[in-house]
Amino acid sequence: KQEVTQIPAALSVPEGENLVLNCSFTDSAIYNLQWFRQDPGKGLTSLLLIQSSQREQTSGRLNASLDKSSGRSTLYIAASQPGDSATYLCAVYSGNTPLVFGKGTRLSVIA
Amino acid sequence: GAVVSQHPSWVICKSGTSVKIECRSLDFQATTMFWYRQFPKQSLMLMATSNEGSKATYEQGVEKDKFLINHASLTLSTLTVTSAHPEDSSFYICSERGRETQYFGPGTRLLVL
Repeated sequence: KQEVTQIPAALSVPEGENLVLNCSFTDSAIYNLQWFRQDPGKGLTSLLLIQSSQREQTSGRLNASLDKSSGRSTLYIAASQPGDSATYLCAVYSGNTPLVFGKGTRLSVIA
Repeated sequence: GAVVSQHPSWVICKSGTSVKIECRSLDFQATTMFWYRQFPKQSLMLMATSNEGSKATYEQGVEKDKFLINHASLTLSTLTVTSAHPEDSSFYICSERGRETQYFGPGTRLLVL
């Protein structure tokens, strides 16, 4: 059974810092991995999707990497801003089964 | 991409009443929809998989008689929380299976008094 772990559970950084969020999964037989953002009391916003054949994806200040063989992914946020404060969720997709989510990392960027 | 809508976005009800949440696929027809529940500061937990034309498949520990799921058409799935209790208060999110991923509704916040 696929399990997804995210470290750290919470992170607080001053504005402007670069930061890395970590995600690991137990079964490397995945189709893709996705990073989501969730604001308090809100739904999910898809940030980046990495196919199993890809190593990384970039969108603006966000860069996600994938090392499928080791079961790891990182989300790099450059020059963090207070508006980046949210919970970031990692999820893996293995085909016919539903997305499996990690517990998320709660990020606070302090102005 | 596909757009999934949910209604209502929030609901407050008295203990013992039933609440129906609707999930609609607006862009393409979804044969499979997923229902998730999220408690405060927790991740999304899959409750059930809803298939059009057949009975829903529930995850272990989810009472099928309490959380009634109906997939009436290729664009509509409903979740009814029957005889709701305060411990059912949560954030419920539906999701539609796409070709390479899933598309999520905006969620419904349920508060049972």
